[in-house]
Amino acid sequence: RKEVEQDPGPFNVPEGATVAFNCTYSNSASQSFFWYRQDCRKEPKLLMSVYSSGNEDGRFTAQLNRASQYISLLIRDSKLSDSATYLCVVREISNFGNEKLTFGTGTRLTIIP
Amino acid sequence: EPEVTQTPSHQVTQMGQEVILRCVPISNHLYFYWYRQILGQKVEFLVSFYNNEISEKSEIFDDQFSVERPDGSNFTLKIRSTKLEDSAMYFCASSETWTGHGYTFGSGTRLTVV
Repeated sequence: RKEVEQDPGPFNVPEGATVAFNCTYSNSASQSFFWYRQDCRKEPKLLMSVYSSGNEDGRFTAQLNRASQYISLLIRDSKLSDSATYLCVVREISNFGNEKLTFGTGTRLTIIP
Repeated sequence: EPEVTQTPSHQVTQMGQEVILRCVPISNHLYFYWYRQILGQKVEFLVSFYNNEISEKSEIFDDQFSVERPDGSNFTLKIRSTKLEDSAMYFCASSETWTGHGYTFGSGTRLTVV
């Protein structure tokens, strides 16, 4: 059973376009939600946290729907530097009260000049 | 900006050998983690560490794995007898608080078992 599921892509999008990614998670008790960005053979880097009220950071907008267990990321006016793999990440608390991050497989985005 | 440092960046080892992957977390962080990513697959949780002991470990983290904080700065992952399937990128992470926010990942150690 996949815990965090994403469309692996690839998404090939022209520069300046808007692109949206979706993610679903299976654990309804999940605590926090994030989008990370990972460049090829690099470490994951936090892009933004995701809140139920929706949040925006420049060209990036994230949304969480707890009822549907669904997370989205919207990138407007995409730039060549946005080319990367976008990881949907969920923070879970174990039965012992410890936390861990559960990652999706990522969605590969390539921005085309 | 503070960062998590990992060494070496790439380690090649023969099957059956022991390897130690090293990490220097951010100095005021209290929670430490190891994650791994097999090429082409997702990032997977291995272990979390707090107050000088393991707080949580995954099914992957079997008896071949161990972690240690030998001094006030280093955090190590040891694999006792490496297998081919241990080949992966290993990421160390640290966080200041128990919230999942402020997770900083190191740049990783690519382990290749031959």
